[in-house]
Amino acid sequence: AQSVTQLDSQVPVFEEAPVELRCNYSSSVSVYLFWYVQYPNQGLQLLLKYTSAATLVKGINGFEAEFNKSQTSFHLRKPSVHISDTAEYFCAVTLANQAGTALIFGKGTTLSVSS
Amino acid sequence: DTEVTQTPKHLVMGMTNKKSLKCEQHMGHRAMYWYKQKAKKPPELMFVYSYEKLSINESVPSRFSPECPNSSLLNLHLHALQPEDSALYLCASSQEGLRTDTQYFGPGTRLTVL
Repeated sequence: AQSVTQLDSQVPVFEEAPVELRCNYSSSVSVYLFWYVQYPNQGLQLLLKYTSAATLVKGINGFEAEFNKSQTSFHLRKPSVHISDTAEYFCAVTLANQAGTALIFGKGTTLSVSS
Repeated sequence: DTEVTQTPKHLVMGMTNKKSLKCEQHMGHRAMYWYKQKAKKPPELMFVYSYEKLSINESVPSRFSPECPNSSLLNLHLHALQPEDSALYLCASSQEGLRTDTQYFGPGTRLTVL
């Protein structure tokens, strides 16, 4: 079965510092990976996704992620964070069968940016 | 326009009440989803509609009843809920329901069951 593991539940960082949020996946078949962000009391917004094109994926708000097949990872990075990046970040994989497609989320990483 | 709207934003109901959550999108998407998110947890899939037909039901209790009246609307009817059903209910939609499709989420309805 396909799944994702987010290795850090909380990541505190100072403003303008770089950040990496880690995600590992497990799958025996082709995999499609997503990073979503959820700000407090809001829905989820797509940051970026990997769908078998370039392994380095650039997303919104200055985020990027690199698909690494040998390490089964899809870590999210930003070179310089802002206070406004404080949010919950979810890595997800799509699981499909004949009936339809579902997003399977990791447990989430809380990014806290302080000044 | 990549907006998914949900009403109401907040809902408080007793265990004997009947209420409905509504979701709407005008992006021409043919797949729509209901997710349930408990506090400090990731969203969990409840239902998937593909081309207005229920395609996935993740063993959700019958007190939750989904309905897709047309390709733009998705409802979730609630009846005889339990306090543990209190959560954020998120609606999402995607183009065709393919694995590579982006799912666009609404802001959610925060449900409290007393």
